Amino acid sequence: GENVEQHPSTLSVQEGDSAVIKCTYSDSASNYFPWYKQELGKRPQLIIDIRSNVGEKKDQRIAVTLNKTAKHFSLHITETQPEDSAVYFCAASAWGGSYIPTFGRGTSLIVHP
Amino acid sequence: DVKVTQSSRYLVKRTGEKVFLECVQDMDHENMFWYRQDPGLGLRLIYFSYDVKMKEKGDIPEGYSVSREKKERFSLILESASTNQTSMYLCASSLGTRPSNYGYTFGSGTRLTVV
Repeated sequence: GENVEQHPSTLSVQEGDSAVIKCTYSDSASNYFPWYKQELGKRPQLIIDIRSNVGEKKDQRIAVTLNKTAKHFSLHITETQPEDSAVYFCAASAWGGSYIPTFGRGTSLIVHP
Repeated sequence: DVKVTQSSRYLVKRTGEKVFLECVQDMDHENMFWYRQDPGLGLRLIYFSYDVKMKEKGDIPEGYSVSREKKERFSLILESASTNQTSMYLCASSLGTRPSNYGYTFGSGTRLTVV
């Protein structure tokens, strides 16, 4: 089955800096890669996703890149703000199959004012 | 706004009790899921369902069962609660004829404590 490794487990940055979280996956059939943000005490929410037919996707200060050859994808947050502090989860799954998403273990991002 | 509603935010139950966790979605989603979330372990799938009366085991189904009698409702049942089932339980739903085609919408979670 699919295995998703997420690094780092904790990331501490200063406000205004960039943050990068990386995930690697094992199943070459995976072709849908969502990212979720979970603020303290709240539900995880989908913030961005990418499918295997594109290499990069942006939405304001966040972007996701995908390298299918190397089987890794990354979340990039620019100009970080204190409200970006949360746990971020990546996931990988196969479009059109019966697979369910496999989640990474999460990255706790702390943005210091 | 799309919603997944879990009936209880906090629950305290005694060891050996039968516990029901309810989840309702109003988006007409085919797929529904139950996860438990524990520190350092991320999200672990307990059961999922991609149609009414259908259920599939996830990674950690032992000690749990589920029921999906209606499309909008997916219930998680702890047959005989034990202290190692103390956790945050998250329900989720997604669109599509098969799981994983689309992103999830999560409920707010139920923090269950078994004493």
